[in-house]
Amino acid sequence: DSGVTQTPKHLITATGQRVTLRCSPRSGDLSVYWYQQSLDQGLQFLIQYYNGEERAKGNILERFSAQQFPDLHSELNLSSLELGDSALYFCASSAPGTGGEQYFGPGTRLTVT
Amino acid sequence: GEDVEQSLFLSVREGDSSVINCTYTDSSSTYLYWYKQEPGAGLQLLTYIFSNMDMKQDQRLTVLLNKKDKHLSLRIADTQTGDSAIYFCAERHSGYSTLTFGKGTMLLVSP
Repeated sequence: DSGVTQTPKHLITATGQRVTLRCSPRSGDLSVYWYQQSLDQGLQFLIQYYNGEERAKGNILERFSAQQFPDLHSELNLSSLELGDSALYFCASSAPGTGGEQYFGPGTRLTVT
Repeated sequence: GEDVEQSLFLSVREGDSSVINCTYTDSSSTYLYWYKQEPGAGLQLLTYIFSNMDMKQDQRLTVLLNKKDKHLSLRIADTQTGDSAIYFCAERHSGYSTLTFGKGTMLLVSP
């Protein structure tokens, strides 16, 4: 158990809908990262937050957004969902002043029908 | 550009050593990581190495880094069927905290 929690574990929704994925980082970690894993694209970095502020952006679509709250949990919002958004979404966290190692949550499997 | 390459598949027999290879392109990478992903699970950090090191050993795992060739390897000694999983190599670039991952190597260990 990495100490990073994600909910829900599975999500099935229809095209055009909006969903919110939730992540709680390890105790003491200030950074949260979101990744999308699909068979064709592999593991793609989406966005990073550090202590409530956006720190880095990767291949995140404009339909997707995220935020990190004062208690450091984070949410990833996916809207106008398309079939191609079906994937595993992972959250990871890391502590400041370390080797930068990221600890991953168990993921949310999103299926868009 | 920044890229991390890994071979897609490796098959070994139980008890043998496994060597998973990775190449990266960014010479300014500061840390390099190995993660393991079992079916239906998240990525588990196995080990990492700082770029000024050549080798790191942790029980059955040995990481070798050839910075000149930008080549990283993970050796698993006495491979067990429970080691069957996908192994990801990742690099961290200087000045950044984000990681770039390879596409993963599927290790299959047969009895």
